[in-house]
Amino acid sequence: EIVMTQSPATLSVSPGERATLSCRASQSASSNLAWYQQKPGQAPRLLIYTASTRATGIPARFSGSGSGTEFTLTISSLQSEDFAVYYCQQYNNWPLTFGGGTKVEIK
Amino acid sequence: EVQLVQSGAEVKKPGESLKISCQASGYRFTTFWIAWLRQMPGKGLEWMGIIYPDDSDTKYSPSLQGQVTISADKSLGTAYLQWSSLKASDTAIYYCARLIYNLNGGKMAFGYWGQGTLVTVSS
Repeated sequence: EIVMTQSPATLSVSPGERATLSCRASQSASSNLAWYQQKPGQAPRLLIYTASTRATGIPARFSGSGSGTEFTLTISSLQSEDFAVYYCQQYNNWPLTFGGGTKVEIK
Repeated sequence: EVQLVQSGAEVKKPGESLKISCQASGYRFTTFWIAWLRQMPGKGLEWMGIIYPDDSDTKYSPSLQGQVTISADKSLGTAYLQWSSLKASDTAIYYCARLIYNLNGGKMAFGYWGQGTLVTVSS
């Protein structure tokens, strides 16, 4: 099983600032990596897949990078609606696995 | 428009059985894998398993195999998650989710999600 580790667990950022979230895989996930955003009381929403492709309707301030075992989600200028929990997920191997999440909170 | 509509919240006692559903619409149900995912209270997301409705090919998380059963009814366009004997530790929100694209034999990101079903197991 590929273990996904996200850091930091919590990120305090001011609106308008840049946020950088990390995700590490215990073995190569190639580019088969997705990022999701989840707000309280809501289902997760797909932001990024194949490590760097934005899903339909996702603003350009969200970008993904990386391959193999190291991945990054960058939010270039945080908006109020971006404060949420973010999860990475690998789909290179069964079982599909998620990271523990990074909570982005208002500083 | 792709929609996944899940059945309502459930309150059950330990040892009881349960079957929750996920009704799909807006696409050809039989040709996209549908997964079930769990989110325990205050915790992250956990993939439980996935089914290809056309032939009922199913894959389970090793940690959950034998504890739940995933099935699908092609005629109803509905996927199911069931337990034969619930435990308190099954208390969670359960989501169904469909792959964004039908590639890679079911290994793909989840582009469409149901609204979640809260299952509470308590004596």
